[in-house]
Amino acid sequence: QVQLVESGGGVVQPGRSLRLSCVASGFTLRSYAMHWVRQAPGKGLEWVAIIWEDGGSQDYADSVKGRFIISRDKSKSTLYLQMNSLRAEDTAVYYCARGVVGAGQTIDYWGQGTLVTVSS
Amino acid sequence: FLLTQPHSVSESPGKTVTISCTRSGGSIATAYVQWYQQRPGSAPTTVIYEHYRRPSGVPDRFSGSLDTSSNSASLFISGLRTEDEADYYCQSYDTTTVIFGGGTKLTVL
Repeated sequence: QVQLVESGGGVVQPGRSLRLSCVASGFTLRSYAMHWVRQAPGKGLEWVAIIWEDGGSQDYADSVKGRFIISRDKSKSTLYLQMNSLRAEDTAVYYCARGVVGAGQTIDYWGQGTLVTVSS
Repeated sequence: FLLTQPHSVSESPGKTVTISCTRSGGSIATAYVQWYQQRPGSAPTTVIYEHYRRPSGVPDRFSGSLDTSSNSASLFISGLRTEDEADYYCQSYDTTTVIFGGGTKLTVL
């Protein structure tokens, strides 16, 4: 069955970097668009980024553009989110999620999330 | 564009509830609408995708629809159960951006 397992969260100081990972199983990662979605404490869902299945092009939310990079390692079936120049407002649970085949901007499966806290 | 949902709704067990999602800025019909359920302390799960399709394992008590006259989508949950108490988010997109609604807290009294 499809599984998405995130890791890499933790406490980090403002201005520093952190890389999140999401190990995918039960499907071929390169054949699907993949997302990162975050949720600040007590708040709603906020889309962060997508990497498309064809050629791996990416799109980003304005709030993270130029600071975050989404990528994938097909051989390791792993999705990444490199987060640079972190700010307090980036504090959130980060979820990786799989796009529906042929409609990548919809989501069918979600991981359990990893918490990132940006604080001095 | 924005997706606007009611902040909260409540209904009794066994009844039917409707949660709306209104798009401002563009037609609701130009992109698929999805609905996600998030129970307290848990990750989201998909209950409706591509306007009205249900993932396997989601009961047919959950259904989705579009109303182009009001530029909105709706999630219907019939035969309400206490386990349906959760936050529900609609979601859609344009060419480069994915947008979530603000979420609706469903209380099953």
